[in-house]
Amino acid sequence: GQQLNQSPQSMFIQEGEDVSMNCTSSSIFNTWLWYKQDPGEGPVLLIALYKAGELTSNGRLTAQFGITRKDSFLNISASIPSDVGIYFCAGQTIGTASKLTFGTGTRLQVTL
Amino acid sequence: ETGVTQTPRHLVMGMTNKKSLKCEQHLGHNAMYWYKQSAKKPLELMFVYNFKEQTENNSVPSRFSPECPNSSHLFLHLHTLQPEDSALYLCASSQDAEGAEQFFGPGTRLTVL
Repeated sequence: GQQLNQSPQSMFIQEGEDVSMNCTSSSIFNTWLWYKQDPGEGPVLLIALYKAGELTSNGRLTAQFGITRKDSFLNISASIPSDVGIYFCAGQTIGTASKLTFGTGTRLQVTL
Repeated sequence: ETGVTQTPRHLVMGMTNKKSLKCEQHLGHNAMYWYKQSAKKPLELMFVYNFKEQTENNSVPSRFSPECPNSSHLFLHLHTLQPEDSALYLCASSQDAEGAEQFFGPGTRLTVL
């Protein structure tokens, strides 16, 4: 089946630093999504990308849909303590309506 | 608050018990989903309902039985579960089954003793 490789698996950063994480696939996706999950809660949709090369921002978050359609990146600028959590990428391919393939997550921890 | 609620938030049950998980969405969506989230594993899609009709059963054991009485409500009936079924069970909804943007509830943390 399809797999999404998400990296890094975890990261410690200092408050105020910028963060980058990415997701790669062996398959082409026509939609990329980024979610954040806080402890004890469900994933919350952060950004949705629908077009190769698309760059979309949501506050301090910026995500890009890779040109090859096999990868996506999420950047967080000027991290703050509430950015702590697990970030998941998810992809949807044409012809697999309703099926999202999820990455294994990047755990972000911020040190003060 | 994502517009998707789940009850109960926590559930502990024995292997011989029967229990049900409930999900309700207030987003006017037509597709609803059940996912299983286990530690260190990607989210696993279990069931999909589109306009109350089940469109996907991802090889889920029959001890899990979904029910979708209308587009706003989704249940997961549980019976004779195994300890390895302990996980976070997440409900999600989207505009319809073609929509990629799925909105998740807070989940039910299930522990099977």
